[in-house]
Formats: sequence, C-alpha cells, structure tokens
Amino acid sequence: DTGVSQDPRHKITKRGQNVTFRCDPISEHNRLYWYRQTLGQGPEFLTYFQNEAQLEKSRLLSDRFSAERPKGSFSTLEIQRTEQGDSAMYLCASSSGLATYEQYFGPGTRLTVT
Amino acid sequence: GQQLNQSPQSMFIQEGEDVSMNCTSSSIFNTWLWYKQDPGEGPVLLIALYKAGELTSNGRLTAQFGITRKDSFLNISASIPSDVGIYFCAGQLNTGANSKLTFGKGITLSVRP
Repeated sequence: DTGVSQDPRHKITKRGQNVTFRCDPISEHNRLYWYRQTLGQGPEFLTYFQNEAQLEKSRLLSDRFSAERPKGSFSTLEIQRTEQGDSAMYLCASSSGLATYEQYFGPGTRLTVT
Repeated sequence: GQQLNQSPQSMFIQEGEDVSMNCTSSSIFNTWLWYKQDPGEGPVLLIALYKAGELTSNGRLTAQFGITRKDSFLNISASIPSDVGIYFCAGQLNTGANSKLTFGKGITLSVRP
C-alpha cells in the first residue's frame, strides 16, 4: 500500500478565492473521510463517502464547502469564497469495508487564508 | 462538536520512564483508537480496541478499552526520544452508516534525554 496521499500539502490563498484539495485513498479502500483540524484541537469530522455515495455531512460543512468522489476512488474538497476562519489543516482518511474503524490518514493539506 | 476529554494538555517525562494517558467521554463508543501525530503530518494509527475490557499491546504501547465503554487509556513503557508527539484518542460508534471518529484535543508528550 502506498498510503493515503493529499495534494497540495500547503495552500495560501486570499480571502474570497476558491480552493480545491485532492485526496487519493489507499487503493481498494471504499470509505473515504474528510476532517478539519485547527491548532491545539483534534481532527473534526466533515463528511464521508462509501464508494461514490456521500453518506454523512457534519454541520461544520457549510454551503461553501462541497466534496465529491465521482468514481469511488479519489475525492476532492472545494471551499468557495474562502474566509479567514477556514484556515486549518484538512485531513483525509480511508478505511476498508471490512475494518471501517481503522481509519488511515493522509499527511493533510494546510490551508492559510490571508 | 463533542470531543473526548484528554488531560493534561502536556506531559514531560525522562527518557526510559513509563507514561500513561487517559481519555474519557460522556457517551459510549463501540471502538476506541489511539493516534500519534507529528508536527505538520497526519495522525498515525497506533492501536485499535474493539471490545469493552480489552487490553491490547503494540510493542512498547499498551491500551485498554474501559468496561463502561466511556474511557480508554494508553501506556507507553520505556520511553525514547522518538515518542515525542501529540497523542490523540478517538472513539467510534460504528453502527450502520455512522463510522466517523470523534477525537480528543490531544496530549503533547515531551521526552527529556
């Protein structure tokens, strides 16, 4: 397994711009999760997919956020009209259908909104 | 949102010492997990616990799933400098479609050589 990969690792953007992050899960993992982590806090759940179906979304995921997993493999998380409060580490995790409790995380994308 | 309780926020130990970390919740979970995170990286899974009362080891790490299903602890024996990092507990209900993880705020461990 090559592990979960995320791109980019760092993103600096100006307030009001749109940004998109990509996550490639461990191959053949059918569940994919997005979390957000701010300084001094643990990761907080945003949304998750089983294959291409988005099964749950957190209240943290405002209308400016959208996530997709069109072919059940990689996923994208888009934030529109970014705000300074969106600055955080965005983490992706994946798990297999057999052991959904074992979630393996990628290195994260650090977003800074100026 | 709900978070698990981890305290203290930081722990300082001498190399070679054992250290124990606790995690508590007001809600029950069906699975408990412990992760370690280094600065600028994603969390790395250390141990997963699936049954109340279960005691599981992974090298120098030992973790237990509390009988009430509302707590867990992690013990690190004979600490070494590379144990430095942030340790998070996470709980999961894992019922039907609900498989998200709920995390604590983490404990930052420092190891003095």
